[in-house]
Amino acid sequence: GEDVEQSLFLSVREGDSSVINCTYTDSSSTYLYWYKQEPGAGLQLLTYIFSNMDMKQDQRLTVLLNKKDKHLSLRIADTQTGDSAIYFCAPQSGGSYIPTFGRGTSLIVHP
Amino acid sequence: EAQVTQNPRYLITVTGKKLTVTCSQNMNHEYMSWYRQDPGLGLRQIYYSMNVEVTDKGDVPEGYKVSRKEKRNFPLILESPSPNQTSLYFCASSLGPGGYEQYFGPGTRLTVT
Repeated sequence: GEDVEQSLFLSVREGDSSVINCTYTDSSSTYLYWYKQEPGAGLQLLTYIFSNMDMKQDQRLTVLLNKKDKHLSLRIADTQTGDSAIYFCAPQSGGSYIPTFGRGTSLIVHP
Repeated sequence: EAQVTQNPRYLITVTGKKLTVTCSQNMNHEYMSWYRQDPGLGLRQIYYSMNVEVTDKGDVPEGYKVSRKEKRNFPLILESPSPNQTSLYFCASSLGPGGYEQYFGPGTRLTVT
């Protein structure tokens, strides 16, 4: 099965950029999602990228995909305290009903 | 409002006492699943269902049962809970496989003593 690796914690200062990295093993992953979990809540889809794309930008969010290295990253520009949450990388192959979730990266934003 | 609801949100129980966590979605989604979330382990899938009367095991099905008698409901049943099932549980639904967003419920925090 797919293995997904993420670092567990990232600490940044408010206003700086955050970069959350993810590596995965299944080269057939077609959809690559980022989910956000705020304290005490369920997961919500933050953004996603298809495997035929290298980059996707959505306001303060930039997703970069390196298919050759099976590396996905999420950059949050001008990080705010409201961005403090757990971020899950979740690649999914086209024929699969389910994505595989990484362990999640806890983003801590301090003033 | 499109949503996935779970009940109860919090539950403390004792070993061996059967319990059911309900999950309901109002989006007419085909696909539903249950996850558990544990510190340092991320999300692990327990069971999933591709449609009514179709269920299958996920990564960690031991000690759990599910049923899908109606499209909107997907209850999680613990016949004889044990302390190692203390966890945060999430129900999720989506339109179908590959490329569809999963909608998550708010979570059920279960403690088994």
